[in-house]
Amino acid sequence: NAGVTQTPKFQVLKTGQSMTLQCAQDMNHNSMYWYRQDPGMGLRLIYYSASEGTTDKGEVPNGYNVSRLNKREFSLRLESAAPSQTSVYFCASKGISQGYTFGSGTRLTVV
Amino acid sequence: QKEVEQNSGPLSVPEGAIASLNCTYSDRGSQSFFWYRQYSGKSPELIMFIYSNGDKEDGRFTAQLNKASQYVSLLIRDSQPSDSATYLCAVKRDNYGQNFVFGPGTRLSVLP
Repeated sequence: NAGVTQTPKFQVLKTGQSMTLQCAQDMNHNSMYWYRQDPGMGLRLIYYSASEGTTDKGEVPNGYNVSRLNKREFSLRLESAAPSQTSVYFCASKGISQGYTFGSGTRLTVV
Repeated sequence: QKEVEQNSGPLSVPEGAIASLNCTYSDRGSQSFFWYRQYSGKSPELIMFIYSNGDKEDGRFTAQLNKASQYVSLLIRDSQPSDSATYLCAVKRDNYGQNFVFGPGTRLSVLP
């Protein structure tokens, strides 16, 4: 049982480059989330998808787009990366039971 | 005022002692409260959740909730060096998206 799988684990981008972070869950969860984690700031919600076919902005959506491709997959796209987007990104999912299940994270550096 | 606040620490306790981690929240309508543990370089993992005022115990962990004071805490009894981690307090914001708001975390160091 893989849980939540995120790829890639590490990435270095140049300012202005684009990339997509992939996330997939195999727990049949309805809700999926993208958070970023920065020192001293905690986890901040970027976008979420309450169910397949829906997406909503979170606390810090600027500079990001998302796609809920199907129930399993929820991707995060940076169209034009900026140094301020250097962070650790976590995907999470939630089913009926309490609490999130997190992926292992993507450490992104924008230079 | 941040929605969820925690003392960033580090909180240092000797092995075998009780570690007390505190969290306050601003939204009086919040209903569900969660504690996550995050080891350095790893993803957060759920330790406990609590809905009702009072205490909830699970092994060496006890969560305490006081909605009137908008305060939730986590006690770790018989602290072990393996408990050294950052502890994140999370509050469920609403029922639609099941969104959680996280505090910045408290770094706990258990000294052998």
